[in-house]
Amino acid sequence: QKEVEQDPGPLSVPEGAIVSLNCTYSNSAFQYFMWYRQYSRKGPELLMYTYSSGNKEDGRFTAQVDKSSKYISLFIRDSQPSDSATYLCAMRAYTGNQFYFGTGTSLTVIP
Amino acid sequence: EAQVTQNPRYLITVTGKKLTVTCSQNMNHEYMSWYRQDPGLGLRQIYYSMNVEVTDKGDVPEGYKVSRKEKRNFPLILESPSPNQTSLYFCASHTVMGGPYNEQFFGPGTRLTVL
Repeated sequence: QKEVEQDPGPLSVPEGAIVSLNCTYSNSAFQYFMWYRQYSRKGPELLMYTYSSGNKEDGRFTAQVDKSSKYISLFIRDSQPSDSATYLCAMRAYTGNQFYFGTGTSLTVIP
Repeated sequence: EAQVTQNPRYLITVTGKKLTVTCSQNMNHEYMSWYRQDPGLGLRQIYYSMNVEVTDKGDVPEGYKVSRKEKRNFPLILESPSPNQTSLYFCASHTVMGGPYNEQFFGPGTRLTVL
């Protein structure tokens, strides 16, 4: 079983839609949860970083962590064509120095 | 400009021919890391380094070597490349100062093909 599971999509939505991206994980030691955005032919860029359970909002983006279900989500409101990218979730434990990534979900926002 | 640079960006080589992919960061970061990205498998950590002369294996270290002789540089060495090492490689770095909420900066990637 992979440490982190993520639906690869692809996901295609009309401009203005609400997008929901999700990851599940198996390691209960994970405490730090990240979402990265990767444009084609580029390296990943950090989008959101959350600790433990709860919600975090940044503009049109909201990250949610449910540690009891080992489930994290990224919501994108009022999606824009510029949001078209691959979104990767990543996690790490409180102790330990390794990062574990999901496979990424490819998102296309159609104008 | 704060950045992570990798060279070369594209490389086609043959089985068994030793190669090195360089990585350099100008942000004085302690932590550096190498990943490979493959379709359906995502980003997998190969090796990481917490500081100069301190390196450790990630999830997929077989067939790779690294060294960290200077803080800014973290080269990835393939002593005898094989076709299953054909992949997109990323170097990344972040500071460990001030706690765990530190952004990991990624380089632009190196696309390696081993024939």
